[in-house]
Amino acid sequence: GAVVSQHPSWVICKSGTSVKIECRSLDFQATTMFWYRQFPKQSLMLMATSNEGSKATYEQGVEKDKFLINHASLTLSTLTVTSAHPEDSSFYICSARWGAQNTEAFFGQGTRLTVV
Amino acid sequence: EDQVTQSPEALRLQEGESSSLNCSYTVSGLRGLFWYRQDPGKGPEFLFTLYSAGEEKEKERLKATLTKKESFLHITAPKPEDSATYLCAVQETSGSRLTFGEGTQLTVNP
Repeated sequence: GAVVSQHPSWVICKSGTSVKIECRSLDFQATTMFWYRQFPKQSLMLMATSNEGSKATYEQGVEKDKFLINHASLTLSTLTVTSAHPEDSSFYICSARWGAQNTEAFFGQGTRLTVV
Repeated sequence: EDQVTQSPEALRLQEGESSSLNCSYTVSGLRGLFWYRQDPGKGPEFLFTLYSAGEEKEKERLKATLTKKESFLHITAPKPEDSATYLCAVQETSGSRLTFGEGTQLTVNP
């Protein structure tokens, strides 16, 4: 299957600082990328959808000023958690899709964010 | 609003003991139903996509089937390495987002 690389795989940051997570599609051009959040023992909750060159579409309840998403190229999307607080600690996962809307989405390996 | 319900929440099997996982869904129009496997601390790994009722797909010990209301993931003679959380997701015809179920945590004991 297609490869989606997410970096870093884990990060610890101090409360009040910002953290950037990168998501790269290595062997295909991702027309659409998705960002999810997953709490322990729970399923994936979609945070936002981004199309290359466009502003991201955020899900209800997700603060766009706190979770900045940039999809500057067909192979790279970034999620920046601004002014992070301990409640932002979670597992963040990106996925990428190419072509028609019914093609499968491939996931990155996830980023464990811990805010102390 | 799309809804996906997976059962059971957790399943323990002995090695070689076949079973099935269920994914019930409600969607206005189904574009596709997806199965993923997720290991602890990792992102989901794609398994199957099913598009229409009656469709079946197989991969090694796994077989996925689809009806108009639910999908089953059949596991034949499972091995300990099949232990993982299995996630089901649906995509409706009007959008590109996936709606995930809560998953079934499968443990296969040797």
